[in-house]
Amino acid sequence: RKEVEQDPGPFNVPEGATVAFNCTYSNSASQSFFWYRQDCRKEPKLLMSVYSSGNEDGRFTAQLNRASQYISLLIRDSKLSDSATYLCVVNYLMIKAAGNKLTFGGGTRVLVKP
Amino acid sequence: NAGVTQTPKFQVLKTGQSMTLQCAQDMNHNSMYWYRQDPGMGLRLIYYSASEGTTDKGEVPNGYNVSRLNKREFSLRLESAAPSQTSVYFCASSEIEGPGDTQYFGPGTRLTVL
Repeated sequence: RKEVEQDPGPFNVPEGATVAFNCTYSNSASQSFFWYRQDCRKEPKLLMSVYSSGNEDGRFTAQLNRASQYISLLIRDSKLSDSATYLCVVNYLMIKAAGNKLTFGGGTRVLVKP
Repeated sequence: NAGVTQTPKFQVLKTGQSMTLQCAQDMNHNSMYWYRQDPGMGLRLIYYSASEGTTDKGEVPNGYNVSRLNKREFSLRLESAAPSQTSVYFCASSEIEGPGDTQYFGPGTRLTVL
């Protein structure tokens, strides 16, 4: 079983619609959670961190469910420019000085269409 | 600020050839990382350097070596390339080694081994 699992999609979304997708993680000792965005043939970039209480950044809302070990991302009022692959990223508790090691999911592809 | 830079952008090697991928960051970050990204696999950590002078293995270190030349530069070497090393390689850096710290990625090197 992969440590971080995502539905690869693609999620085909009409422009202006809402799309949501989840990511599950297997290690209950996970500390920090993030969503990264990756455009085609580009590098990943941090979209947002995910906090226990849930957090919002404009049209993007991230939530964490520790009991069920998943995080979610919701995109409201989708724009064409939201088309990308969204990577779920988890940081596990590590011994200090062992580095900030992240575990990446395989990504969920979102295609926003006119 | 150029951020994280990588060279070369593209490379084609024959089986058995060697090469070094270069990475540099100008953000005065302490930690640096090398990942590979294969379709459907997500990013996997090859090696990392928590701070200048230290390097450690990640999830998939076999067939690779690294050098943290100084605080700015972190190189990845393939001594004898194999077709299984065909991938996109990303270098990343983060300011500190804390669990919540953002990693910044370079643009990637697309490597094909024939």
